Amino acid sequence: EDQVTQSPEALRLQEGESSSLNCSYTVSGLRGLFWYRQDPGKGPEFLFTLYSAGEEKEKERLKATLTKKESFLHITAPKPEDSATYLCAVLGYSGYALNFGKGTSLLVTP
Amino acid sequence: DAGVTQSPTHLIKTRGQQVTLRCSPISGHKSVSWYQQVLGQGPQFIFQYYEKEERGRGNFPDRFSARQFPNYSSELNVNALLLGDSALYLCASSPDRAGANVLTFGAGSRLTVL
Repeated sequence: EDQVTQSPEALRLQEGESSSLNCSYTVSGLRGLFWYRQDPGKGPEFLFTLYSAGEEKEKERLKATLTKKESFLHITAPKPEDSATYLCAVLGYSGYALNFGKGTSLLVTP
Repeated sequence: DAGVTQSPTHLIKTRGQQVTLRCSPISGHKSVSWYQQVLGQGPQFIFQYYEKEERGRGNFPDRFSARQFPNYSSELNVNALLLGDSALYLCASSPDRAGANVLTFGAGSRLTVL
């Protein structure tokens, strides 16, 4: 059974203080690993898809990386508007639905 | 360009009642999926529909049902509501069901069961 574990559950950073969020996964053949951002009371907003180990993608202050067992979401010099819950999800070859982790709640203070 | 739209945005029901949630996908998207997100948890898969047929079902009881219409919009029905059904119900659409398609989510319907 596919499993996704995200850590830490919550993270508080000062503006400009870089850090990384972790997503560990087990899946029977990875078709894709997805990162979403979710603001309170809203639906998840797509950030990145990674397909194979070694792949990296960047968007503004965010960079996602992938290994065979985990993915990292690196946040460089975060701003308060980066505060949100970041969700990681995997899609395996044996499935048809995204399997989400519980998310990491990020708070960036000025 | 309109995204995924869901209605109602909020609703309150009592135990034992029935509820219908509605979803309109992005224009041109033929696949609709439903997810349940309990407070503090990640979304959990309920159903996937493609071309009006159920293509996948998560680990939810038969009280949960859904359908997709010819215009690709979808409804999620939940019967005999329980307190534990209180959650944010998310609808997501994608162009088709093949491959690792990116799901685009709506803002959700917040259901409270009293």
